[in-house]
Amino acid sequence: GENVEQHPSTLSVQEGDSAVIKCTYSDSASNYFPWYKQELGKGPQLIIDIRSNVGEKKDQRIAVTLNKTAKHFSLHITETQPEDSAVYFCAAVGGAQKLVFGQGTRLTINP
Amino acid sequence: SQTIHQWPATLVQPVGSPLSLECTVEGTSNPNLYWYRQAAGRGLQLLFYSVGIGQISSEVPQNLSASRPQDRQFILSSKKLLLSDSGFYLCAWTESGKTQYFGPGTRLLVL
Repeated sequence: GENVEQHPSTLSVQEGDSAVIKCTYSDSASNYFPWYKQELGKGPQLIIDIRSNVGEKKDQRIAVTLNKTAKHFSLHITETQPEDSAVYFCAAVGGAQKLVFGQGTRLTINP
Repeated sequence: SQTIHQWPATLVQPVGSPLSLECTVEGTSNPNLYWYRQAAGRGLQLLFYSVGIGQISSEVPQNLSASRPQDRQFILSSKKLLLSDSGFYLCAWTESGKTQYFGPGTRLLVL
């Protein structure tokens, strides 16, 4: 089945700098890759997703890139702000349309 | 628009007591429904998913069960709680088969 690895597990950046979180997946048949942001005590919220027919997608300060050959995808956050501090999860669609999640990255934005 | 509800928001239960957590989705029909558990500071573990009324698939052997008595209602149960059942329980749904949306979660503490 699908397996998703996410790095780093923790990331600390200065406010205004960029943050990059990377994920790799194992199943070459996976074709949908969402990213979720989870704030303390809340459910994960979808922030951006990408399908396998595109290599990059951008939404304001957030972008996701996908390399299907290498089977990895990344989340890029530019001009980070304190409200970007949260845990971020990547995921890939596995069998039976089930999402397989990475282990999560705790992002801290330092003022 | 679609919304997903979970209750209760928090629950403290003694070991050996029963459990019933409820999830309902509004504004959609025939969704796929999912139960996840998240241990403190950890990732998301898929427990059960359902593609229709009465259809439940279990991902991991455990002390829990799930039921779907109505199209937009998903229930997580246990006859006797264990200490290890403590965690943050999240319900999620998909309509299109890809984008998955999460509820606000139920925090369960078993003492």
